[in-house]
Amino acid sequence: DAGVTQSPTHLIKTRGQQVTLRCSPISGHKSVSWYQQVLGQGPQFIFQYYEKEERGRGNFPDRFSARQFPNYSSELNVNALLLGDSALYLCASSRGQGEFAETQYFGPGTRLLVL
Amino acid sequence: AQSVTQLGSHVSVSEGALVLLRCNYSSSVPPYLFWYVQYPNQGLQLLLKYTSAATLVKGINGFEAEFKKSETSFHLTKPSAHMSDAAEYFCAVSVVRAGNMLTFGGGTRLMVKP
Repeated sequence: DAGVTQSPTHLIKTRGQQVTLRCSPISGHKSVSWYQQVLGQGPQFIFQYYEKEERGRGNFPDRFSARQFPNYSSELNVNALLLGDSALYLCASSRGQGEFAETQYFGPGTRLLVL
Repeated sequence: AQSVTQLGSHVSVSEGALVLLRCNYSSSVPPYLFWYVQYPNQGLQLLLKYTSAATLVKGINGFEAEFKKSETSFHLTKPSAHMSDAAEYFCAVSVVRAGNMLTFGGGTRLMVKP
């Protein structure tokens, strides 16, 4: 089975622009979570979506938004990019909402550089 | 709110030596604990997880971790390091109320010397 896939793999944007990152979960997984990993730090939780509804949101500004589609794929959108948004953006999928610490499977990430 | 502290941002061991990566957590409710490994330019791979069953958890690639509630610790060990173990290791915590939200520590980079 294919793992979690993300596109694009790399992206370069300038300050003030907008970006959309895409994620396809493992087949059969209904939950998608997004994390931001700044260089040299651990990942930070941004969003969780389950069955197309937002189930959790981390401490990120409203410039960050996401959605989940009927096929459970997801998009993360970031508006008005700042230099500090440069990071590796990780997507993770799991079967359910996570009530029983089910394993989250991570994709390879999208590396965003804001100039 | 829960948090994770990983002591030592860099750990260096010789090939064949014991690997010990430290993780302490803070949580007001019983936690679930995880160790993930990240190789360069890749995503995260789960090594093992603690879900309130056995306190000694065995994972992949010969790694194991022991949950110690009294010490709020979940240290990762491997008896004999291999060159292929060189990577970044992250400890993470989640709690039932927070669904799938993982809170990660800052990571420990493991270097293995020949």
